[in-house]
Amino acid sequence: DIQMTQSPSTLSASEGDRVTITCRTSENIDTFVNWYQQKPGRAPHLLIYGASRLHSALPLPSRFSGSGSGTEFTLTIDSLQPEDFATYYCQQNYRTPYTFGQGTRLEIK
Amino acid sequence: QVQLQESGPGLVKPSETLSLTCNVSGGAFGTNKYYWAWIRQPPGKGLEWIGSIYYSGNTFYNPSLKSRVTMSQDTSKNQFSLKLTSVTAADTALYFCARDSGSYYMGFDYWGQGTLVSVSS
Repeated sequence: DIQMTQSPSTLSASEGDRVTITCRTSENIDTFVNWYQQKPGRAPHLLIYGASRLHSALPLPSRFSGSGSGTEFTLTIDSLQPEDFATYYCQQNYRTPYTFGQGTRLEIK
Repeated sequence: QVQLQESGPGLVKPSETLSLTCNVSGGAFGTNKYYWAWIRQPPGKGLEWIGSIYYSGNTFYNPSLKSRVTMSQDTSKNQFSLKLTSVTAADTALYFCARDSGSYYMGFDYWGQGTLVSVSS
């Protein structure tokens, strides 16, 4: 299975901050990485697919952006808003079994 | 507007079979565009892909669960189902159904709200 390792596990930040979450994979998966946001008790929501492409459901302009290829990927959130404090997951769809990172909890400092 | 809704018992006894159904509306179900997936999340933990089913009926399962999982679909009812046999407490989780964009490589782009299944006697 392809292992997905996110860092950090927890991130403390303030409104207005810019934050970056990293996802490293156990093998080269080109740009087959997706990012999700999940709030407690709710389903995850797709934010980014193909490493850097915004899901069409996200309003523009978006504070969310993704980058990376190969084995290292990042999700960046600009100018944090209260609704951005949640848990974020990366996921690979390069090969089954599809696997997720362990999650990064973004909390208010 | 794509909508998915899970349904099924919230409590299953150990060693019995967990059965869930996902009803789909507005999501091109039954066409060759998408796969349809089950994903679960134990309380306080991360996400685990269980498997996906294609309109043709082809299925792809997580090897960690493959011996216990069966997915099926009923295109006339716009629904697909999950059966997980011989459950234990480790199968207690929030179970989500989702649209798997498959060869579009756009991830799981729409999700149901999830249904909590507890395994307990």
